[in-house]
Amino acid sequence: GAGVSQSPSNKVTEKGKDVELRCDPISGHTALYWYRQSLGQGLEFLIYFQGNSAPDKSGLPSDRFSAERTGGSVSTLTIQRTQQEDSAVYLCASGGGGDNTDTQYFGPGTRLTVL
Amino acid sequence: GESVGLHLPTLSVQEGDNSIINCAYSNSASDYFIWYKQESGKGPQFIIDIRSNMDKRQGQRVTVLLNKTVKHLSLQIAATQPGDSAVYFCAEEGQGGKLIFGQGTELSVKP
Repeated sequence: GAGVSQSPSNKVTEKGKDVELRCDPISGHTALYWYRQSLGQGLEFLIYFQGNSAPDKSGLPSDRFSAERTGGSVSTLTIQRTQQEDSAVYLCASGGGGDNTDTQYFGPGTRLTVL
Repeated sequence: GESVGLHLPTLSVQEGDNSIINCAYSNSASDYFIWYKQESGKGPQFIIDIRSNMDKRQGQRVTVLLNKTVKHLSLQIAATQPGDSAVYFCAEEGQGGKLIFGQGTELSVKP
């Protein structure tokens, strides 16, 4: 595909349930970033991958949040025992390919609602 | 700590006028800055970027200005169109390439 894709586009879950959010980066991009955007707010960094390694997990809000990346491509963000404050749009970005190694290109996001 | 902030939360302009969106950053060592446009229900869309060794960069109808002395960044949109209505974020590259975003400025274009 031409851009970053994310699935699902919307997810409604009950408090206490686990959720998995998926990101498919642009082919060839080595870096992958997860951000969270609460209503009317800017984006908050969560974690980033270089290849399959995660050098910086400093933005993960709690140990209920985890992420992995396999094959240097697809990434999954998992939130265990979801809480209402986890409700937000989760955005994925990829970069590190082509001439400009710093530019990050974003997917459409997954809107998570925890009831 | 690092932070990026925007001077104005909302900006309303007449169609055809020029728009200027401002941003202040706090980390004088930052090397790379990006402007994104975000329409409702969509992810941020890259507009233009600039490195710290430049003070101006132009794209199609957009110009980014960087003033390192006062740690100020601005986005200028020429001949603003209704399709430009969106929230605009400036972002500063932090350690490891992660982006540090400001709160955003909502641009509203009146026909």
